[in-house]
Amino acid sequence: EVQLLESGGGLVQPGGSLRLSCAASGFTLSTYVMNWVRQAPGKGLEWVSSISESGGETHYADSVKGRFTISRDNSRNTVHLQMNSLRAEDTAVYYCAKRLPYGGSSGGFDKWGQGALVTVSS
Amino acid sequence: EIVMTQSPATLSVSPGERATLSCRASQSLNSNLAWYQQKPGQTPRLLIYGASTRATDIPARFSGSGSGTEFTLTISSLQSEDFAVYYCQQYYNWPLTFGPGTKVDVK
Repeated sequence: EVQLLESGGGLVQPGGSLRLSCAASGFTLSTYVMNWVRQAPGKGLEWVSSISESGGETHYADSVKGRFTISRDNSRNTVHLQMNSLRAEDTAVYYCAKRLPYGGSSGGFDKWGQGALVTVSS
Repeated sequence: EIVMTQSPATLSVSPGERATLSCRASQSLNSNLAWYQQKPGQTPRLLIYGASTRATDIPARFSGSGSGTEFTLTISSLQSEDFAVYYCQQYYNWPLTFGPGTKVDVK
C-alpha cells in the first residue's frame, strides 16, 4: 500500500526554522516527482514546492522562494522541506504529495499524506 | 503565473441531482488540469487528471471535460458522500496553481 507520512510539524516563533519530513512506503520513491502543498486554516490549497525524481530540479512558490528548501533521500525513502525565516502566514497544514508519472497530459497528485501542522506564532 | 478561477464559489444541490463545476485558466493549459475533492478533516483526493481521465477507483458519475482555458467537472447524480469542496489545479507550467475551490453543499 502506498503511504506518505509527514513529521516535524509544530509551534515555532516568527523568524524560526522547522524541518518537515515525509516518509514514503509502498512504492519506489526514486521514480516519482514529489511535492509539498499547504493549506492555511479554513483556506484553500497552495502548492509550495516540487522536486524531480533525482533531486536535480526543484521549484518553489514565490511566497516561499529563498526561505524554503526541498530535498530528497531516495535511499532512505524520504522527502524533506527545510523552512527558514518562518512567518505567521506560513501557518498551515503541510501535505506531502506524490505526482502521477509523466506521460501525455498525465499529472496531478494521486497520493497525499495526512499532513503536518505548522504554527508560526509568538 | 497562471491564475485559476472557479465558479460558482458555492453550489447548492439536492441528492440525485446533477452538479456542474467550472474552472478557468488565465492562459491555455492544453489538457494539463486536475480536479480534487476534499471533505472536511480529510486530505484531498485526486478525481480527474488530463482534464478528462478519471483517477483510480473514482466512480463513473464523476466526469471532466474541456481543454485550453475552460474546464468542467460534472457529477451526474450527487450522492451524500459527494458533498465537499472541489479544487482544480494546473500542472502545465511553474508555479503550479490551484483554483480557490467550489463548495458543493446540500440544497
